[in-house]
Amino acid sequence: QVQLQQSGPGLVKPSQTLSLTCDISGDSVSSNSAAWNWIRQSPSRGLEWLGRTFYRSNWYYDYAVSVKSRISINPDTSKNQFSLQLNSVTPEDTAVYYCVRDAAIGLDTLDVWGQGTKVTVSS
Amino acid sequence: QSALTQPPSVSGSPGQSVTISCTGTSSDVGGYNRVSWYQQPPGTAPRLMIYEVSNRPSGVPHRFSGSKSGNTASLTISGLEAEDEADYYCFSYRSNTDWVFGGGTKLTVL
Repeated sequence: QVQLQQSGPGLVKPSQTLSLTCDISGDSVSSNSAAWNWIRQSPSRGLEWLGRTFYRSNWYYDYAVSVKSRISINPDTSKNQFSLQLNSVTPEDTAVYYCVRDAAIGLDTLDVWGQGTKVTVSS
Repeated sequence: QSALTQPPSVSGSPGQSVTISCTGTSSDVGGYNRVSWYQQPPGTAPRLMIYEVSNRPSGVPHRFSGSKSGNTASLTISGLEAEDEADYYCFSYRSNTDWVFGGGTKLTVL
């Protein structure tokens, strides 16, 4: 059974960097079929896809236009995890952040979700 | 980037059917058969219910079905049960390697 376990701080100061990690069990970050996503949810913005990474002989990265200049998603094969870094945060980045697997049982099949991390951007 | 348009709320009695719409444009819903639907009970993470417009993952009841016409996708729940009460979100691929969610619909089982 695949599980995703998130970790990271729940409070980040404005202009600083939000960093979260997602540990994978039951699958591999280097899987040739899955993709690894970050999605956030807030009352004001709803659910918002942020980006993903996946391995197909090389590593690939896709990012949402809305955060493209500030985001980085990085796999760590030695720890079987992937991380999210979001730079220059503002209160608008306050949200619950989820790491999510796309199992590729079809197209865009977000089938396993982490437990969610509530991140507040405030001084 | 605007979210896909869903009705804020729908309701139905046990045993009835309800349909939730998700309207986008030819750049997302209308342009690709890549619409999925997610159920989110309060305080939990979303759960995949439908992918590629009308496919059900294993474990999802046959009461849940999906369809699409033009720029609008729909999720239909037949034989409503109390446990179906949740928020529902559509999700679509949008051109230029981007994805977008709907604003969400709260389903109330009366």
